[in-house]
Amino acid sequence: EVRLVESGGDLVQTGGSLRLSCAASGFTFSSQWMSWVRQAPGKGLEWVANMRHDGGVTWYVDSVKGRFTISKDTAENSLYLQMNSLRAEDTAVYYCGRRDDSGWWFDPWGRGTLVTVSS
Amino acid sequence: DVVMTQSPLSLPVTLGQPASISCRSSQSLVHSDGNTYLDWFHQTPGQPPRRLVYGVSNRDSGVPDRFSGSGSGTDFTLKISRVEAEDLGVYYCMQHTHWPHTFGQGTKLEIK
Repeated sequence: EVRLVESGGDLVQTGGSLRLSCAASGFTFSSQWMSWVRQAPGKGLEWVANMRHDGGVTWYVDSVKGRFTISKDTAENSLYLQMNSLRAEDTAVYYCGRRDDSGWWFDPWGRGTLVTVSS
Repeated sequence: DVVMTQSPLSLPVTLGQPASISCRSSQSLVHSDGNTYLDWFHQTPGQPPRRLVYGVSNRDSGVPDRFSGSGSGTDFTLKISRVEAEDLGVYYCMQHTHWPHTFGQGTKLEIK
C-alpha cells in the first residue's frame, strides 16, 4: 500500500525557516517523480515544487524560487522541502505527492502538514 | 502557464439529482505521447483531496460508477449521475500535460 506521511509543519515567524519531511512507503521511491503541493486556508491547490526521480531535474513555482529547496534521501525513502525567508503568504497545508510508473500523479495523498507564518 | 477554468464555481444541488462540472484549459491537453493528462479530485473539509478520475475518463479504484469524466482537447466535464450526501465538497481538475502542472480553481458542490 502506498503511503505518504508529511511532517515538520509549525508556527514560524516571518523570515524564518522550516524543513518539511515526507516519509514514503509502499513503492519504489528511487524511481518516481515527487512533488510538493500546498493549499492556503480556504483556498485552492497550488503546485510548489517537483523533483525527478534521480534529482537531476527540479522545478519551483515562481513565488518560492530562491527560497525553497526540494530534496530527497533515497536511503531514508524521504522527500524534503527546505523553506527559508518565509512569508505570510506561505501559510498553507503542504502535501507531498508522487507520480506513478504510468505517469499519473497524486494517488493517494498524505494528510498534509500545516505551516503557519506569522509576524 | 496553462490556465484551468472551472465552472460553475458554486453548484447548489438536490440530493438524487445529477450534477455536472466543466473544466476548460487554455491549451490543448493532448500530450505528444498521445495521452491527455487531465484528472479530477474531490475534497471535503479538513481532509486531503482524493483522486476520482485520471486521464479524462478513468475512474480510480473504489470510485462509484455514478461519477464519469469525459472530454477532449481543451474541454472536459465531470458528471455525477445522482448526487449523494458524501459527494458534497470541492472538486478540482488538474492538468499535467504541460509544465508547470496546474489546478482549476475548484467547484464547490453544496446542498440547494
